[in-house]
Amino acid sequence: AQKITQTQPGMFVQEKEAVTLDCTYDTSDPSYGLFWYKQPSSGEMIFLIYQGSYDQQNATEGRYSLNFQKARKSANLVISASQLGDSAMYFCAMREGVGTGGFKTIFGAGTRLFVKA
Amino acid sequence: DAGVIQSPRHEVTEMGQEVTLRCKPISGHDYLFWYRQTMMRGLELLIYFNNNVPIDDSGMPEDRFSAKMPNASFSTLKIQPSEPRDSAVYFCASSARPDTEAFFGQGTRLTVV
Repeated sequence: AQKITQTQPGMFVQEKEAVTLDCTYDTSDPSYGLFWYKQPSSGEMIFLIYQGSYDQQNATEGRYSLNFQKARKSANLVISASQLGDSAMYFCAMREGVGTGGFKTIFGAGTRLFVKA
Repeated sequence: DAGVIQSPRHEVTEMGQEVTLRCKPISGHDYLFWYRQTMMRGLELLIYFNNNVPIDDSGMPEDRFSAKMPNASFSTLKIQPSEPRDSAVYFCASSARPDTEAFFGQGTRLTVV
């Protein structure tokens, strides 16, 4: 069963505008972590932001913020003030069993973001 | 820190040949992961190690795939014999704790012809 769902295969955003990339997940584990990674055309995987299931505040890292809605099991990435360099593939990932040292991290299918000048 | 180092960056081999991919994790990271990325299947976790011990290899597709971690600074992923459907980008990643990010290597692009 698909545990991480990214419903937007591709997204366009105008430079300097904000964009939200959707991610929903499914787990029965009370202790889990959610990650977002960026993969530019060069192929490397770049970590962006992390949210723990017990974190009370939404995570933020510079222009990146994670809109964490635990009851809805969603962890959307918000990129503010988009830049041309933000054009890339974005992956949402979930790690279950964080509280017990678990480490199995699964990735969504990704969303390709295109930033228009 | 040099980050996670993978070698080779590119590998082209003929079907039936043995292929060995190498990874050096970040020093001090106790967890090491091998992922495979394809267009059809996305990013798949193949296996991960904790303190050099394989913890979960349920993602290893077939017996043709094997992974080892003889010490804290080195891991290999071997495919023997290789097949064209093994063509993919193979990533190695390492992490210090469950609640921190995994740092990925640059990946090895494997092409089996």
